[in-house]
Parts: sequence; structure tokens; C-alpha cells
Amino acid sequence: GQNIDQPTEMTATEGAIVQINCTYQTSGFNGLFWYQQHAGEAPTFLSYNVLDGLEEKGRFSSFLSRSKGYSYLLLKELQMKDSASYLCAVMDSNYQLIWGAGTKLIIKP
Amino acid sequence: ETGVTQTPRHLVMGMTNKKSLKCEQHLGHNAMYWYKQSAKKPLELMFVYNFKEQTENNSVPSRFSPECPNSSHLFLHLHTLQPEDSALYLCASSQDEGVGNSPLHFGNGTRLTVT
Repeated sequence: GQNIDQPTEMTATEGAIVQINCTYQTSGFNGLFWYQQHAGEAPTFLSYNVLDGLEEKGRFSSFLSRSKGYSYLLLKELQMKDSASYLCAVMDSNYQLIWGAGTKLIIKP
Repeated sequence: ETGVTQTPRHLVMGMTNKKSLKCEQHLGHNAMYWYKQSAKKPLELMFVYNFKEQTENNSVPSRFSPECPNSSHLFLHLHTLQPEDSALYLCASSQDEGVGNSPLHFGNGTRLTVT
């Protein structure tokens, strides 16, 4: 079967750095997405990786290793507004999105 | 403003009621989706429409009936629901279906409670 694993919950301190991991086993691979979802709001697109390596967008970076079936989302200089759930999703060989259950990130002052 | 608008935001209905969820996208996208989001579970794809044609029905019970009158509007008609159908229902759109770098744009969802 197809599977996406990510931690259920993480806690970090304001101003620090946090890394949210995502591992996947899917039938083929056509890219990996990260979304951010604040409580009671819509998920919003953060990043897309299809090639190995690091993609940086301001305070957020996303890394992909296709050989290891592994990605992470790196958040730097954490702010209270970064408290949210972070969803990892992989597009398989049929271009279907396989979703993880999400990681709830709690930022403490 | 997310570009995808869903109404209502909250809905409480009995098991014998009939109600409809509405979604409208202002992004000029060609594909629209209904997802179910339950606590601590992955998003579940329900239906996909591409250029108004249904391309995916992910084994959804017939008590959920989608309608897509045009590329900008999507409805989910609900009847004789069960308490386990209580969840957040998310509408999304994307420029195209089945294309790698075509991220989804989500609405804020309808929080449905079935009593």
C-alpha cells in the first residue's frame, strides 16, 4: 500500500529552528508538496519538490531525497504565527495525491 | 481571500435532512475537488472534476452527490447522512488535473456535524 509518515505533533520555541520530517512509500513519484493549515482555515501551498535537494523560500526550506523516500520542511526564526499543522503530500505515478495525517507544530514563547 | 469560497462555514444537520455545500473558485482553474478532513487523519479525496466532467469518484457513498455546473462552481449535495460523516469538507481547485507542479488552492471548508 501507499503510505506517508510524519510526526503527529512537535513543539518548538519562538526564534528557534524546527525540522518536520516526512517519509513516503508510494507507487511512483511525481513530486512532493508541503502545505500549511492554521486551525479552522484552508490549507495553503508552501512548496513543491520533484528533484533531489533543497528549495529555499525565505524562512522556509524543503528538502527531498527520492532514493530515501524522505523529505523535510525546515522553518527558521520561528514566529508564533507559524503554529499550525503542516501537511506532506506525494503525487504518485498516476498523479494521485497521497496525503500524510499532518504534523501539528506548537510554538512556545 | 483564498480565491476559493465555500459556504456555509458551519452546518448542523439531522440524519434525515437534505442540504448542499457550495464552492466557488475565482482563479480560472480547470479542476475542482472535494476532500473530507477528519481529525488526525489524512485528507480523503472524494470527487474530482476536470473541465466540468467528473474524473474521480473515490468509492464515496451515494448519500454524497456532487454537481459541477461549470468550471467555477462545485456543489456537494447531502442526504440521509450518518454521524460518522461529521468532518470538515474542503473544496479545492488547481490549474490542471494530473500535472505535477499544479498545487491545490483550498477553501476554508464547511464544518459539518450530523446529529
